[in-house]
Amino acid sequence: DVKVTQSSRYLVKRTGEKVFLECVQDMDHENMFWYRQDPGLGLRLIYFSYDVKMKEKGDIPEGYSVSREKKERFSLILESASTNQTSMYLCASSRDGSGNTIYFGEGSWLTVV
Amino acid sequence: AQKITQTQPGMFVQEKEAVTLDCTYDTSDPSYGLFWYKQPSSGEMIFLIYQGSYDQQNATEGRYSLNFQKARKSANLVISASQLGDSAMYFCAMRGSGGSYIPTFGRGTSLIVHP
Repeated sequence: DVKVTQSSRYLVKRTGEKVFLECVQDMDHENMFWYRQDPGLGLRLIYFSYDVKMKEKGDIPEGYSVSREKKERFSLILESASTNQTSMYLCASSRDGSGNTIYFGEGSWLTVV
Repeated sequence: AQKITQTQPGMFVQEKEAVTLDCTYDTSDPSYGLFWYKQPSSGEMIFLIYQGSYDQQNATEGRYSLNFQKARKSANLVISASQLGDSAMYFCAMRGSGGSYIPTFGRGTSLIVHP
């Protein structure tokens, strides 16, 4: 079975802190994604990566950065956390192609106080 | 650009009855895939079913079936014989080919199954 693992399930951080959300997949997938989920807004794409060291901005990249130094790992970084970044963050991975399933991690619930 | 629309924010169904969750999409890509996911209150996204744009038959997976009407650009999820454990958020998603391979998700439908 494909496994996408997010390092932290629940986090509470203070405003201004630097926050790292880690994601690891074990299926050698080319594509990896970070989404943010808020009630009534569905999933919004923050950043995605189609290969090692490659990254592209999604719909809401402001306040976030990412890193993909190894194929299996895709990290989301909040340089200076703010209360409006309190949300659920979902990491996903897949192979290239329209017919390939997107696999998700369990999600990371981040609260910024 | 791709777009997914789920017009039902919430749905209620009696246990053991069937329910249809609506999804319409828009794309100019001739080749694309449509997906449905279930998200229980725990937060994990569970893949349910997939339909390819060139598939002739509607996809089925156990109690889940996808009513694919290409001309209407709709991909409704049908859950037969609802169970209490089906209560969850359901998301429709699509991804195209080439430059539009990034998955696009709808806003979701909250399904509550009553005993």
